Amino acid sequence: GESVGLHLPTLSVQEGDNSIINCAYSNSASDYFIWYKQESGKGPQFIIDIRSNMDKRQGQRVTVLLNKTVKHLSLQIAATQPGDSAVYFCAEKIQGAQKLVFGQGTRLTINP
Amino acid sequence: DTGVSQDPRHKITKRGQNVTFRCDPISEHNRLYWYRQTLGQGPEFLTYFQNEAQLEKSRLLSDRFSAERPKGSFSTLEIQRTEQGDSAMYLCASSFETGSSEAFFGQGTRLTVV
Repeated sequence: GESVGLHLPTLSVQEGDNSIINCAYSNSASDYFIWYKQESGKGPQFIIDIRSNMDKRQGQRVTVLLNKTVKHLSLQIAATQPGDSAVYFCAEKIQGAQKLVFGQGTRLTINP
Repeated sequence: DTGVSQDPRHKITKRGQNVTFRCDPISEHNRLYWYRQTLGQGPEFLTYFQNEAQLEKSRLLSDRFSAERPKGSFSTLEIQRTEQGDSAMYLCASSFETGSSEAFFGQGTRLTVV
């Protein structure tokens, strides 16, 4: 069925360290994936996306990796800053559909 | 136009009352989505419009819920006879029509049914 899940509900890292947030998805028909950041009381904020014909995409301090063989998605944040503290969601879109299916989220805490 | 705008940001209502929320998408986006998010969970899809046409509705959208986008611009989401279980954050998002396109979310409307 459609489901997107996250391996860890919480993650704490030291400021300046790199962080990796993982996501497992179950629908092999998904062809588009997005990472969102959500701060308390705010709507999800787009971070980076990747299409299924790619396995890596880089943005500013962020990298998304897609492993279709094991249906795994990860978000790497380099040189974390206090402002990176938030809940991070991965979301998938099944080919031909328009809705996004979200996982539960991972709360990232950056320790000073 | 700085993004997706939702109004109100917060709404407290008594059980059994009707409520209506408004969403103004990014002006050039012709797709508009409504999602619902409860505490600690990811957003769940409710419905989506392409221009003024409502093309998909989730089974979560009971007959007490209705959404409209009469002119293909702003959208409203109405909940009739609210129940405590309707308490949640209601999120609106918009995107371009072309292929897979990132959806940009508004700040949401926090509904509390007492």
